Amino acid sequence: DQQVKQNSPSLSVQEGRISILNCDYTNSMFDYFLWYKKYPAEGPTFLISISSIKDKNEDGRFTVFLNKSAKHLSLHIVPSQPGDSAVYFCAADDSGSARQLTFGSGTQLTVLP
Amino acid sequence: DVKVTQSSRYLVKRTGEKVFLECVQDMDHENMFWYRQDPGLGLRLIYFSYDVKMKEKGDIPEGYSVSREKKERFSLILESASTNQTSMYLCATRGGYGYTFGSGTRLTVV
Repeated sequence: DQQVKQNSPSLSVQEGRISILNCDYTNSMFDYFLWYKKYPAEGPTFLISISSIKDKNEDGRFTVFLNKSAKHLSLHIVPSQPGDSAVYFCAADDSGSARQLTFGSGTQLTVLP
Repeated sequence: DVKVTQSSRYLVKRTGEKVFLECVQDMDHENMFWYRQDPGLGLRLIYFSYDVKMKEKGDIPEGYSVSREKKERFSLILESASTNQTSMYLCATRGGYGYTFGSGTRLTVV
């Protein structure tokens, strides 16, 4: 049973436009959420995170929004650049009990020049 | 910055071979993890360790074992490699909220 779902396996966006990547979760005990970015043949790298006590966190071109009532978070990239083309993984943490993060299946973002 | 080093970037092994994947961290983190990444399946947890000589099964432990004799080193062992174990293997360590990943090992079993 997938507790973290990324329902879009792929997304294509024109350079300069907004990219919106979505993530849904089912476990109400999750209290921290992270986004990782992965290029081919490299390990994932941390991008941005948000605590469940917030509804928005911004870092440069990247903003993560959290809607707790809908159990939904999204990553916005504005403006999108070709170098943003990568696989993006959403991850969730139940900091009260689990040692490991729970990951979604990833979304391949392609930014077209 | 925490550094997580995986000993090989690319490996090619034959079916039936015993394969060792090594991971070393340079911080004093207790928690270490092994994942495999396959297209469409995301990151799947194989095993993790929360202390020396301690290990716990993840979601897909079949066909794998692990060893953690020292805090900084966490090894993944494929007892008898099979073609369905061809994958990208990722080691990670955790010292706070998030993970730090190694660069990954692309293993091909022929």
